[in-house]
Amino acid sequence: DVKVTQSSRYLVKRTGEKVFLECVQDMDHENMFWYRQDPGLGLRLIYFSYDVKMKEKGDIPEGYSVSREKKERFSLILESASTNQTSMYLCASSFRGWNTEAFFGQGTRLTVV
Amino acid sequence: SQQGEEDPQALSIQEGENATMNCSYKTSINNLQWYRQNSGRGLVHLILIRSNEREKHSGRLRVTLDTSKKSSSLLITASRAADTASYFCATVLLAQKLVFGQGTRLTINP
Repeated sequence: DVKVTQSSRYLVKRTGEKVFLECVQDMDHENMFWYRQDPGLGLRLIYFSYDVKMKEKGDIPEGYSVSREKKERFSLILESASTNQTSMYLCASSFRGWNTEAFFGQGTRLTVV
Repeated sequence: SQQGEEDPQALSIQEGENATMNCSYKTSINNLQWYRQNSGRGLVHLILIRSNEREKHSGRLRVTLDTSKKSSSLLITASRAADTASYFCATVLLAQKLVFGQGTRLTINP
């Protein structure tokens, strides 16, 4: 079975902290995604990576950066956490191609206090 | 900006009834996908329909696609309590970005 693993299920951080959210997949997928999910807003794409060291901005990249040094790992970085970044963060991966499905991690619920 | 918009935002029906959710999108697509999310969890892929297909079935799921209207519908027949979840449509944009709509929250009452 495909597995996408996010490093934490729940996380509480203080305002101004640098926060790392890690995501690892074991299916040799080329594409990896980071989304945030807020009530009433659905899933919004933060960043997307289609290969090692490659990244594309999504709809809401402000306040975030990403790192993909290895194919299986995609990290989301909050440079200086703010309370409006309190959210559910979801990582996903897929094979390259138009007609491929995405596999999701279990999500990280981040609270910034 | 959201590519897809689901309608209704919330739907509550009795067990055994059929549930229909709709999705509208803005740009041309190669395919449209439907996902399900149980409360507080990650999403699970349900079905993919290509732009040259009009209808697709998978078990109790039936998906239709009307590219002229830029819309899709997901029908769940003979609903069960376990179908209670949020359902999202998703499309693949240029550069293979996968974008989602806002979702429909479905509640099946026993």
